[in-house]
Amino acid sequence: EVQLLESGGGLVQPGGSLRLSCAASGFSFSTDAMSWVRQAPGKGLEWVSAISGSGGNTYYADSVKGRFTISRDNSKNTLYLQMNSLRVEDTAVYYCAKEIRSKGYFGYWGQGALVTVSS
Amino acid sequence: EIVLTQSPGTLSLSPGERATLSCRASQSVSSSNLAWYQQKPGQAPRLLIYGASTRATGIPDRFSGSGSGTDFTLTISRLEPEDFAVYYCQQYGSTPLTFGGGTKVEIK
Repeated sequence: EVQLLESGGGLVQPGGSLRLSCAASGFSFSTDAMSWVRQAPGKGLEWVSAISGSGGNTYYADSVKGRFTISRDNSKNTLYLQMNSLRVEDTAVYYCAKEIRSKGYFGYWGQGALVTVSS
Repeated sequence: EIVLTQSPGTLSLSPGERATLSCRASQSVSSSNLAWYQQKPGQAPRLLIYGASTRATGIPDRFSGSGSGTDFTLTISRLEPEDFAVYYCQQYGSTPLTFGGGTKVEIK
């Protein structure tokens, strides 16, 4: 059974940093691309970043480019999102999501980690 | 960036009725690379449809997707109580990946 478990969320001041982790199990982690998708309170879904199975290719939404860094440790079956220079508008639930056959659509999602950016 | 516009914003229907949800893209979505998700309050999204019309594993056949190019439709043939939720379309033909703003299907 595929399981994705996010951790690392919390309250941070504007300009601060936070690192999210997503522990994966139940599938061959290094095979598939993974993404982070966020959802601001009461709002829709926004794709944030993606990384290929090997970790060699990364992609970012313009809204986070230069501030967020996606990475993965295939030996630990873990996906990361390093978030720097956080803004109030980054407040959201952050989901890690597994792409199906690295096609770009998401067959499995974690339960989400809440990040609140506030002074 | 491909912008996806979903309509209507809210659909008020009764159980047993048919629901028709629209997703329109600002430019053609290559190879019908469009997916639909269902999200209930406090839960992560669930994949319903990919490739515009292929049901994901375990999705009941009352859910169907159609369309190509810039116009896509999700149809729920007969609404069950558990189908009242928010539905999102997503294109994965080009980066950045983008989602529509969602359609809420509520009980009338």
